[in-house]
Amino acid sequence: NAGVTQTPKFQVLKTGQSMTLQCAQDMNHEYMSWYRQDPGMGLRLIHYSVGAGITDQGEVPNGYNVSRSTTEDFPLRLLSAAPSQTSVYFCASRPVDRGLSTEAFFGQGTRLTVV
Amino acid sequence: DQQVKQNSPSLSVQEGRISILNCDYTNSMFDYFLWYKKYPAEGPTFLISISSIKDKNEDGRFTVFLNKSAKHLSLHIVPSQPGDSAVYFCAAREYGNKLVFGAGTILRVKS
Repeated sequence: NAGVTQTPKFQVLKTGQSMTLQCAQDMNHEYMSWYRQDPGMGLRLIHYSVGAGITDQGEVPNGYNVSRSTTEDFPLRLLSAAPSQTSVYFCASRPVDRGLSTEAFFGQGTRLTVV
Repeated sequence: DQQVKQNSPSLSVQEGRISILNCDYTNSMFDYFLWYKKYPAEGPTFLISISSIKDKNEDGRFTVFLNKSAKHLSLHIVPSQPGDSAVYFCAAREYGNKLVFGAGTILRVKS
């Protein structure tokens, strides 16, 4: 059971560099999302997608781009990294809610440091 | 403006005693509430949830209570075990499936 797989686990970037955080799930979940976790802030939603070809902004979308070309993959792109983007990033997936169950399955996280 | 607040950054409890983690929310449109547990270097994992039409949900040692009039929910862990030491996040569902998380509470269970 792979679940939600994030790569890489750790990354150090220089200010201004770009990179893509990868996220893949094998549970055929329609809904995928990206969060960042910062001390004292909890988990904040960056972008989310309710299915292939559909994405939308969350609470803190600035500086990040996403696309959803397949059900399985939901990459997060940093076009020009800034020190304020130093954080732990989590990808999550779950079925589109058809009832009252909304558990999300999270990846193990990517710890990103921008210097 | 945080819609989901966990005002206690940390909690320390003796093994075998009850752990009570609290969460307050401001958005009366939230209709579903969840608790997640997170160990270091791992992603959060779902623990227990409750619908807004209920006031209590129990799963083994874990019970979640919801007080809608006070916009307050709590997670009770009885008895607490050292393996329960983790960060606990409260989350609430907004219309449109988005989850809003609190800042988390670090629980330490001392043996």
